[in-house]
Amino acid sequence: SAVISQKPSRDICQRGTSLTIQCQVDSQVTMMFWYRQQPGQSLTLIATANQGSEATYESGFVIDKFPISRPNLTFSTLTVSNMSPEDSSIYLCSVGGGATDTQYFGPGTRLTVL
Amino acid sequence: QKEVEQDPGPLSVPEGAIVSLNCTYSNSAFQYFMWYRQYSRKGPELLMYTYSSGNKEDGRFTAQVDKSSKYISLFIRDSQPSDSATYLCAMSGILTGGGNKLTFGTGTQLKVEL
Repeated sequence: SAVISQKPSRDICQRGTSLTIQCQVDSQVTMMFWYRQQPGQSLTLIATANQGSEATYESGFVIDKFPISRPNLTFSTLTVSNMSPEDSSIYLCSVGGGATDTQYFGPGTRLTVL
Repeated sequence: QKEVEQDPGPLSVPEGAIVSLNCTYSNSAFQYFMWYRQYSRKGPELLMYTYSSGNKEDGRFTAQVDKSSKYISLFIRDSQPSDSATYLCAMSGILTGGGNKLTFGTGTQLKVEL
């Protein structure tokens, strides 16, 4: 399985500001995914990021709020823009596991918005 | 109705007990079923992966899938305090070869007590 790291591991931010979360993988992968995990709720897919194309967003998530970059096959960023307390959550990146269709997750970024 | 239902717990058992964790789902297109373990302040870690119906065993862990009932289970034998974590079921329907959208349950919090 791939080794995935995320930065920052946690942050406390003020309302109205933006935070960019980085995800680094130790091997080249085609698809990277960004999830949100809110207390007491399922992991919810925000978007799928393929290198060289625009990210595909799930219903309820928009590019203006969660812009994503995927400059190469080992790296992606997710920005949470114009934050409000409702954006307080854990944000996780994951990568596809190839033919088994599984996914492997990074350690997550714990975001608190005041 | 959620696509995947999972009792959030918490579930508390004595050390050495057999633990049964379950999920039900409504989408008959799901074919790939996974169980993830998530320790506090960590990302989800893939435990078991099963395709279609049947059983799969790995050490103390057994995953069962009953597609006719739309019901999946994870059994943990001889449970240990180190098994204390949140267990998430996940499933997907279409193999894309590089990863696919996973639908998660909310997770069951398990505590194994000495």
